[in-house]
Parts: sequence; C-alpha cells; structure tokens
Amino acid sequence: GENVEQHPSTLSVQEGDSAVIKCTYSDSASNYFPWYKQELGKRPQLIIDIRSNVGEKKDQRIAVTLNKTAKHFSLHITETQPEDSAVYFCAASDSGGYNKLIFGAGTRLAVHP
Amino acid sequence: DVKVTQSSRYLVKRTGEKVFLECVQDMDHENMFWYRQDPGLGLRLIYFSYDVKMKEKGDIPEGYSVSREKKERFSLILESASTNQTSMYLCASSFQGNYGYTFGSGTRLTVV
Repeated sequence: GENVEQHPSTLSVQEGDSAVIKCTYSDSASNYFPWYKQELGKRPQLIIDIRSNVGEKKDQRIAVTLNKTAKHFSLHITETQPEDSAVYFCAASDSGGYNKLIFGAGTRLAVHP
Repeated sequence: DVKVTQSSRYLVKRTGEKVFLECVQDMDHENMFWYRQDPGLGLRLIYFSYDVKMKEKGDIPEGYSVSREKKERFSLILESASTNQTSMYLCASSFQGNYGYTFGSGTRLTVV
C-alpha cells in the first residue's frame, strides 16, 4: 500500500521568512496530493491540493509543487505570519480505490514574531 | 456551520470497557472514515465505509470495529478498551469519487 513520509517534523521560522515542508510517497499510481492545516485544538482543514497532471499550484502565499518522477511533493509558504503556526499534514491518494488518503506524520510549524 | 459532528470532545474510559465513538455528517456523503492521530505518527486509517452497511479495514483495524446502519452515522467501537488506544480519534467524510474530506473536531479518548 501507499506510504507517505514527511519532513521535517518541526520547523521554526521568523515572521516573514519562507517555510518549506517536503513529502515523499511510494505508490506511483497515486494521483491526488492534498495538504491540511490543523491549528491547536481544531480540526484539519484543506488548504491546497494538487493532481498528478499538474506540476505546481499557487494560492496567494502558499504553493505546492509535485515531482512525479521522484515521487515527492512540497508545500511552500512565503512571507510567513504568526497565524501560519499549526501542524501541517501532507497526504496521497491510495490507488486501491474508495477515495482513501494516506497521511504523513505531520510538521509542526512555529512562526515567531 | 459544523457539518461533521463527533459526539464527545473528551472521553475517559476504563481498561476493558466497550467504547462507542459516534460521528454524524449532514452533507449526504457516501464515504466516511475513522482515523487516529498520535504525535509523530500522523493520521492513521482505522476503518472506512463507502456505503450503508459496507465497511473496509484500514491500516490499523486491530481492536476496533465499526457500524454504519444509516448513511449519516458512522460509529467506531472499541470492543475492550486498552491503554494503547488512548489517542485522538478523527472522523472524516467525502462524496464518492471525491477526495475532499471534511473532518470532525475529534474525540480525545483516554483509557485508564
């Protein structure tokens, strides 16, 4: 089955810096890669996603890139703000059907003013 | 505008008890999922259901069972709770053919 590895597990940046979180996946048939943000005490929420027929997608200060050959994808946050502090999860679709997502272990991002 | 509701936010149970965690969604989603969230391990899939009365094992089903008697409700059952089942449990739902998950707020279960 699919396996997703996420790095780093913790990331600390100064406000205004950029943050990058990387994930690798094992199943070359995976075709959907979402990123979720979970603020303290709240539910995970989808912030951006990318499909395998696209190499990059941007939404304001966040972007996701996908390298299908290398089987890795990354989340980029520019001009970080304290409200970006949260746990971020990457995920990859499981090719076995039923719309299952396999999640990474998460990255705790701290943005310091 | 809460759309996926988990019945309890915090729960404390004793070892050996039978525990029911309830999840209800009002979006008419076909798919429903139960994950457990542990630090350093992320979200791991326990069970999922793609239709009423249909269920499939996820990656860590041991010690758990599920029930889906109605489309909007998906229950996770711990047959005999153990301390290693202390965790945050997250329910999610989506439309069939769609990966757009909506998560519940989670139930933090402590087994003592």
